[in-house]
Amino acid sequence: GQNIDQPTEMTATEGAIVQINCTYQTSGFNGLFWYQQHAGEAPTFLSYNVLDGLEEKGRFSSFLSRSKGYSYLLLKELQMKDSASYLCAVLNTDKLIFGTGTRLQVFP
Amino acid sequence: GAGVSQSPSNKVTEKGKDVELRCDPISGHTALYWYRQSLGQGLEFLIYFQGNSAPDKSGLPSDRFSAERTGGSVSTLTIQRTQQEDSAVYLCASSKTSGIADEQFFGPGTRLTVL
Repeated sequence: GQNIDQPTEMTATEGAIVQINCTYQTSGFNGLFWYQQHAGEAPTFLSYNVLDGLEEKGRFSSFLSRSKGYSYLLLKELQMKDSASYLCAVLNTDKLIFGTGTRLQVFP
Repeated sequence: GAGVSQSPSNKVTEKGKDVELRCDPISGHTALYWYRQSLGQGLEFLIYFQGNSAPDKSGLPSDRFSAERTGGSVSTLTIQRTQQEDSAVYLCASSKTSGIADEQFFGPGTRLTVL
């Protein structure tokens, strides 16, 4: 079966650091994506990991451990505009299998 | 245009009617994907096209759903005899290729409401 788990909701304070975890069990694995989705808008690409380790891109970093079926998205220096849902998705051959998303609320 | 476009942006229909949703991918993108997102749910894969072919139809929820793509460009998702449970946002995405981890670019979606 295909199973992707992420926390449903998280809260954090402006300027802080937050880590959003994602664990997966899928029949195939060709990489893991993180997308950001603001309410009422389409998802936008944040990161892609296919090898173990940390990928850093500005305030956002993404980590992958294939042996553990685990990834996290790290957001630093949080801003109010980072309030959104963060979707973890596993690429299985030609399909993206999404988790239900983590709704992050950033408070001043 | 520069991005993926979808039409209509909103569609309200009565139960039992047929609806057609349209997607215009980014020019030159060979792969096109349809997803739906129900309220409070994650994105659900429906179907994807490589060129005009749909090698994977496993995600279509029932035989009331069909999709086609012509000219390697525009795609139409058709839902026949709509049911209330079909109410969702239908998202289209395109990528340069498939099978490789090319980034998928999403359109704004069509919000379908079945009364």
